[in-house]
Amino acid sequence: ETGVTQTPRHLVMGMTNKKSLKCEQHLGHNAMYWYKQSAKKPLELMFVYNFKEQTENNSVPSRFSPECPNSSHLFLHLHTLQPEDSALYLCASSQEGTSPYEQYFGPGTRLTVT
Amino acid sequence: AQKVTQAQTEISVVEKEDVTLDCVYETRDTTYYLFWYKQPPSGELVFLIRRNSFDEQNEISGRYSWNFQKSTSSFNFTITASQVVDSAVYFCALSEVFGNEKLTFGTGTRLTIIP
Repeated sequence: ETGVTQTPRHLVMGMTNKKSLKCEQHLGHNAMYWYKQSAKKPLELMFVYNFKEQTENNSVPSRFSPECPNSSHLFLHLHTLQPEDSALYLCASSQEGTSPYEQYFGPGTRLTVT
Repeated sequence: AQKVTQAQTEISVVEKEDVTLDCVYETRDTTYYLFWYKQPPSGELVFLIRRNSFDEQNEISGRYSWNFQKSTSSFNFTITASQVVDSAVYFCALSEVFGNEKLTFGTGTRLTIIP
């Protein structure tokens, strides 16, 4: 069983909907990440949370809103998305403060915006 | 700025053939880490290897081997005697060593092993 789980695995939503993606890590890590994977583009880092504090916001539009209530859970709240936001959204976690670090990824949520 | 280039978008080889996936990187840092990840059809990225920029020794793990050449800024990945289970998208990535959690990924190489 993977140490990082994501729900739902697939999501179809209209442009006016509000939905949330959930990520949970069972590895005792203290940093969590959201990535966007679009076809034929490198993975794009969206947000980084370190010890529940957001340390990186990679110029992500405000229609994406992250929430990290504790070091094991990470949410991505979605509202008024655009069709170009359709992508695979990957969550990852790592143990910061120990170098070198590895990021462990979840299976992703395949999002389709109609 | 950091950049990772995987020029091979897709590769197909017949099972049992050897295949090399190329990775070229750019960074101004003198100390950095390089990674390879595998993304099978299930979606999650699976960590394969991490190399420190100070360590240019090639590494072998079973059928997998990695050739790190600082002089050409390359970190190539070879699969020997490929198997159908090796079919996946493979990503090369680069990170700074201190104080930055960001991984810069390449666009990935889709590898298909033909039975």
